[in-house]
Amino acid sequence: QKEVEQNSGPLSVPEGAIASLNCTYSDRVSQSFFWYRQYSGKSPELIMSIYSNGDKEDGRFTAQLNKASQYVSLLIRDSQPSDSATYLCAIEGGGSNYKLTFGKGTLLTVNP
Amino acid sequence: DADVTQTPRNRITKTGKRIMLECSQTKGHDRMYWYRQDPGLGLRLIYYSFDVKDINKGEISDGYSVSRQAQAKFSLSLESAIPNQTALYFCATSDSSGAGKDTQYFGPGTRLTVL
Repeated sequence: QKEVEQNSGPLSVPEGAIASLNCTYSDRVSQSFFWYRQYSGKSPELIMSIYSNGDKEDGRFTAQLNKASQYVSLLIRDSQPSDSATYLCAIEGGGSNYKLTFGKGTLLTVNP
Repeated sequence: DADVTQTPRNRITKTGKRIMLECSQTKGHDRMYWYRQDPGLGLRLIYYSFDVKDINKGEISDGYSVSRQAQAKFSLSLESAIPNQTALYFCATSDSSGAGKDTQYFGPGTRLTVL
């Protein structure tokens, strides 16, 4: 059974700091990796997708993938109070199985 | 207008009632999904459909059924609702072709309470 593990938090950082969110996964054949942001009571919103080892940057967000270590992370630079949300890591299993397995999420709080 | 819509947005029902949650999308995606979200348990897949004639069970399909009426519509039914089906339900879609083909986009959710 595919597993996706995240620290549930809460992770608390001051405004302007770097927030680091981590995710490990069990399925070695996973090909696609996603980070979603979810505000309380709202639907998940895609932040980043990453498919290859290394870093991918989009504005204040950087996703990092290390398939050998089965590890994916999300860095948020210059954190803002509006970044306070739950961040969900999602892994696609590879092959023709286009299903996502989600972690339980990490709650991030950015303090003004 | 939202690309993925869900109706109703909130529903309170009683144990034993049959209810239907509906999802419609204008994204032109071929794949659609139903998830439920419970505090501390994350998002769990109930059913998914890769096209109108291809419907598959997810990890927690017991007590649920689905209908894919058209490429744009995917409905979730609770045949006889029970209190532990109280949860936040999300519909999602994805496109099987092109870049980002397995990226899922979520509807706004339906908050269901079963008394």
